[in-house]
Amino acid sequence: AQTVTQSQPEMSVQEAETVTLSCTYDTSENNYYLFWYKQPPSRQMILVIRQEAYKQQNATENRFSVNFQKAAKSFSLKISDSQLGDTAMYFCAFIGTGANSKLTFGKGITLSVRP
Amino acid sequence: SAVISQKPSRDICQRGTSLTIQCQVDSQVTMMFWYRQQPGQSLTLIATANQGSEATYESGFVIDKFPISRPNLTFSTLTVSNMSPEDSSIYLCSFGGITDTQYFGPGTRLTVL
Repeated sequence: AQTVTQSQPEMSVQEAETVTLSCTYDTSENNYYLFWYKQPPSRQMILVIRQEAYKQQNATENRFSVNFQKAAKSFSLKISDSQLGDTAMYFCAFIGTGANSKLTFGKGITLSVRP
Repeated sequence: SAVISQKPSRDICQRGTSLTIQCQVDSQVTMMFWYRQQPGQSLTLIATANQGSEATYESGFVIDKFPISRPNLTFSTLTVSNMSPEDSSIYLCSFGGITDTQYFGPGTRLTVL
């Protein structure tokens, strides 16, 4: 079974600075997908970024980028130039490519951006 | 990408009653999913809603408690039956391919008194 671990329950960052959120996972599969989702107080789950395991290049979406280390099973999210609107819970998630694969979430991390 | 909506956005219900949550996608999708997010917790998959067949439930969730309908490729409902305060959670639906990105609805916040 796959597991996703987010060991930091909360973090705080000053506006305009950079913050990195950690995530590790465990799987025996060779091909899979990794995601970061953002959940602001409105509770809507918003996709931030997606990484395909067979791609060596780290995914980037504007101010958001990942550091994907497949051998270490690590998938961290870097938020550059933090904005007040980035305040939210962030969930790391994993899904394999097997027929019965299900999206597995980490426990989440609460990120607060200070003005 | 497709737009997904849920109704109601929130509700306060009495113990022992049932609530049906609706999930609507503005385009046809193959896979729809229902999740529960208990207060301060992560998301837990309740079931996969299959069009034209019974839903597939995860361990710890049963059809009698969480009946699901999927009458077509754009719509699904989840009923929370015989509610107790422990059912107070956010319920979210999502769609996507099994190995592709899942997109989530805005969620239904349920409080059971």
